[in-house]
Amino acid sequence: GAVVSQHPSRVICKSGTSVKIECRSLDFQATTMFWYRQFPKKSLMLMATSNEGSKATYEQGVEKDKFLINHASLTLSTLTVTSAHPEDSSFYICSARDPATLVWVHEQFFGPGTRLTVL
Amino acid sequence: GIQVEQSPPDLILQEGANSTLRCNFSDSVNNLQWFHQNPWGQLINLFYIPSGTKQNGRLSATTVATERYSLLYISSSQTTDSGVYFCAVGGYGGSQGNLIFGKGTKLSVKP
Repeated sequence: GAVVSQHPSRVICKSGTSVKIECRSLDFQATTMFWYRQFPKKSLMLMATSNEGSKATYEQGVEKDKFLINHASLTLSTLTVTSAHPEDSSFYICSARDPATLVWVHEQFFGPGTRLTVL
Repeated sequence: GIQVEQSPPDLILQEGANSTLRCNFSDSVNNLQWFHQNPWGQLINLFYIPSGTKQNGRLSATTVATERYSLLYISSSQTTDSGVYFCAVGGYGGSQGNLIFGKGTKLSVKP
C-alpha cells in the first residue's frame, strides 16, 4: 500500500507560537491530501482538503487564518497552526489518495499523526 | 451530509472469541474503509470495501451497499487486536473524496 509520513510526530510549544506539520507521500504523488483532527477518545473530523498548486478547501467552522495549509508539490502538504493556544492541542492526521489507481478507487492512506500540545 | 453509525461502541472479548462490528450509513457511498487505530494513533488500513466481501487472514468484511451497512468480522481474536476500529465513508457529493468517520468501536481483548 501507499505510504504517508508526518513530521514531527510530537510537538510541545508555548502559547502564541506557530507550529508547522509536514505530510509527505513517500512512494506516490498525491494531487489531493486531507487534514483531520482528533480529540482524545473521539473520532476524526475533517479540517480541510489540500490541493496541489491551489488553495485549500476548509470545512465549516475551521478558521483558515488559524490553520494555514500549503500544498506546494505533489508529495508535500504542510499545516501551520498559527498563534497556537491550549485549545489547539490535539492529534492532527493527514491522508492522501494515490491518483495512479483506477479513477473509481478512492482508497485513502493515512500518516501516523502529530500530537500537538500547547502550554 | 452522510451520517455514519458504528456499533457497539465498546466490546470486551476473551482471547480466541469471534466478533462482528457494524457500520450503518445514511446515503450512497463511493468509498468505505475500515481502519484499526493502534495505541500510538496510527490508522491501519484494513479494508477498502464500498461493496462486496473481502477477507484478509482472520479479518473479513462485507458491505451491502443497497442496504447501507458494512460488517467487520474478527475471528479467533488476539490481544493485539485491541484498539479502536473505525468505519469511514465517502459520498458522491463529498468534497473531492474526503472521508466521514464513525465514532468507532473500542475493542479490548483479554488474555
